[in-house]
Amino acid sequence: EAQVTQNPRYLITVTGKKLTVTCSQNMNHEYMSWYRQDPGLGLRQIYYSMNVEVTDKGDVPEGYKVSRKEKRNFPLILESPSPNQTSLYFCASSPSFSGGYTFGSGTRLTVV
Amino acid sequence: ILNVEQSPQSLHVQEGDSTNFTCSFPSSNFYALHWYRWETAKSPEALFVMTLNGDEKKKGRISATLNTKEGYSYLYIKGSQPEDSATYLCAPRGDSSYKLIFGSGTRLLVRP
Repeated sequence: EAQVTQNPRYLITVTGKKLTVTCSQNMNHEYMSWYRQDPGLGLRQIYYSMNVEVTDKGDVPEGYKVSRKEKRNFPLILESPSPNQTSLYFCASSPSFSGGYTFGSGTRLTVV
Repeated sequence: ILNVEQSPQSLHVQEGDSTNFTCSFPSSNFYALHWYRWETAKSPEALFVMTLNGDEKKKGRISATLNTKEGYSYLYIKGSQPEDSATYLCAPRGDSSYKLIFGSGTRLLVRP
């Protein structure tokens, strides 16, 4: 089944403890992106990648890192999480410049 | 593309009613307009990707039109059903960028 898989679905962590949210797609899509969703603010882009080893900042990149070493994987790294990074995170991929996005099922992160 | 507005913010209709909502975006630097359907506790799902002025797309009872010259798109739902209850997001994409800017959505509730 064609899909974008994110893990974990839920995560509660403490301030400052490094964490990684994984994202993997099995559709050979070139483009991948991370979004966060906060009440009243809608989906905001964190980082995106147009292909392997090509990444760029979105609108809210502060406090996050990404890597794209393989086409299928695009992990989101929080080196030192803070409570303001408590949010619902989505990974998405697209086959081409004109294609719609396929979203992962989301990761709800709580930083205490 | 910086400013995407969707109206209304929320809409309550009776089963069987037809409804429509609007996405407004700056008309300069336009490349494509995406529509997504987002049900509660699920992830956004692509409905349409529209690129040409005057484009009309249809999927079952849902259709969309695009006016790139004046910077708006309408989404129509004919004969709304309770299962249409969701948040509908639009996201324009600018010229050569993979970046989508999401609107805050129109939340539709269809009462049986």
